[in-house]
Amino acid sequence: NAGVMQNPRHLVRRRGQEARLRCSPMKGHSHVYWYRQLPEEGLKFMVYLQKENIIDESGMPKERFSAEFPKEGPSILRIQQVVRGDSAAYFCASSPLTDANYGYTFGSGTRLTVV
Amino acid sequence: SQQGEEDPQALSIQEGENATMNCSYKTSINNLQWYRQNSGRGLVHLILIRSNEREKHSGRLRVTLDTSKKSSSLLITASRAADTASYFCATEGDFGNEKLTFGTGTRLTIIP
Repeated sequence: NAGVMQNPRHLVRRRGQEARLRCSPMKGHSHVYWYRQLPEEGLKFMVYLQKENIIDESGMPKERFSAEFPKEGPSILRIQQVVRGDSAAYFCASSPLTDANYGYTFGSGTRLTVV
Repeated sequence: SQQGEEDPQALSIQEGENATMNCSYKTSINNLQWYRQNSGRGLVHLILIRSNEREKHSGRLRVTLDTSKKSSSLLITASRAADTASYFCATEGDFGNEKLTFGTGTRLTIIP
């Protein structure tokens, strides 16, 4: 049981480039959540996905950010034309059920640095 | 805006002492959870308390929930150096199928 796998662990992008962050949920988990954490702050919800469906994207910026969770393969968080303000740690979590009654399992995160 | 606010923001205690952290929230919840985050790492789920529960224990952890005051506390007894981390409370709304909303965290430092 490998847990939630995120890659890459660290990602450096120049302003204007695209960043792709990947998340493979725990085996048997069909619910994926993406959160962003700025230094010394808590986690801010971005998007909640099930296989091939976006359930709640209320925390996603309207522009440049998109997420998917295809039928096969990992969930992808995509940030186009990155800016310095996108620098943060991005965490993925998964759960087996619709509700969070068993807690989330988090990955180790991807630390994005925009230079 | 953040649902939960932890108090204090930072706490330093001697090893062996008890550490208490508080969390307040604003809306009705289905459950409240506590997570630990070591520096530079992901979050680890510690304990979950449902809205109809008032107290829960897990090892050296004790969590209380007061839904009338919309508050929770996490007590870590007999603290150890390895407990040094940030602790976050998170709430799930009471409609189901909802994401967790995290508080701002308490940074706990255990002094050996």
